Amino acid sequence: DGGITQSPKYLFRKEGQNVTLSCEQNLNHDAMYWYRQDPGQGLRLIYYSQIVNDFQKGDIAEGYSVSREKKESFPLTVTSAQKNPTAFYLCASSPTNTLNQPQHFGDGTRLSIL
Amino acid sequence: DQQVKQNSPSLSVQEGRISILNCDYTNSMFDYFLWYKKYPAEGPTFLISISSIKDKNEDGRFTVFLNKSAKHLSLHIVPSQPGDSAVYFCAAILNTGGFKTIFGAGTRLFVKA
Repeated sequence: DGGITQSPKYLFRKEGQNVTLSCEQNLNHDAMYWYRQDPGQGLRLIYYSQIVNDFQKGDIAEGYSVSREKKESFPLTVTSAQKNPTAFYLCASSPTNTLNQPQHFGDGTRLSIL
Repeated sequence: DQQVKQNSPSLSVQEGRISILNCDYTNSMFDYFLWYKKYPAEGPTFLISISSIKDKNEDGRFTVFLNKSAKHLSLHIVPSQPGDSAVYFCAAILNTGGFKTIFGAGTRLFVKA
C-alpha cells in the first residue's frame, strides 16, 4: 500500500541538541515537502525538493536543514539554531511540483523540547 | 501576513444539513485552490480543488465555489454526515518559479447526529 511514513510519531529533544525527523515515501513522487504547524496557524513551508539532490528553502527555513540523496527519502534536521522547535511537523509529496497536483501527507511528527 | 485566511476556527452543523466553510485570500496571483481534510492523528488528505479560471467545481457531496472579485472561496458539503467531522484546510497555489502552496489555519467542523 503506497504512502508516506513519518517517524517517530512523538519526539523529545533536549535544549542544544540536533534532531532528525524521518520521511519516506513509496509513491515514486519526485517532489517532497516539509511543513510546520503551530496552534492556530496554517501549515508553513520549511523546505521542498523538486527532484533528487535538489532542494529549496521555504518560508521558515532558518534553523532547519534537509537532504535528498534518494528519491524516496527526505529527512529534516532541526538544529540547535531553531529557537522555537516545539511544533507538529508534516512531510508531504506530489508526483511533481506542478500546479494542479495535490500533495499527499504523512501523519506527522510532534516534536517537544524537554 | 496571512495570505489565506479561514476566519472561523470551528463550525457546528446538524447531520443532513449543509456545511459551508469559508476562506478568504489576499493575493490575486493565486492560480489554483484546494481543500484538504484532516482527522486527528492523521495527515491532511486532499478533498477537492478548483482552478482560478473557474467558479465552481463539484464532486459528489462536495462543491467548491470561487469568487475572484471578492477573493473568496467556499466549500459546501451537502448533506453533512458525522464522518465529515474533521479540520478543513483551505490552500492556494502560487507560481514563484516553483509552485508554492499556502495554507489557511483550518476550520474544525462538527457534524452532530
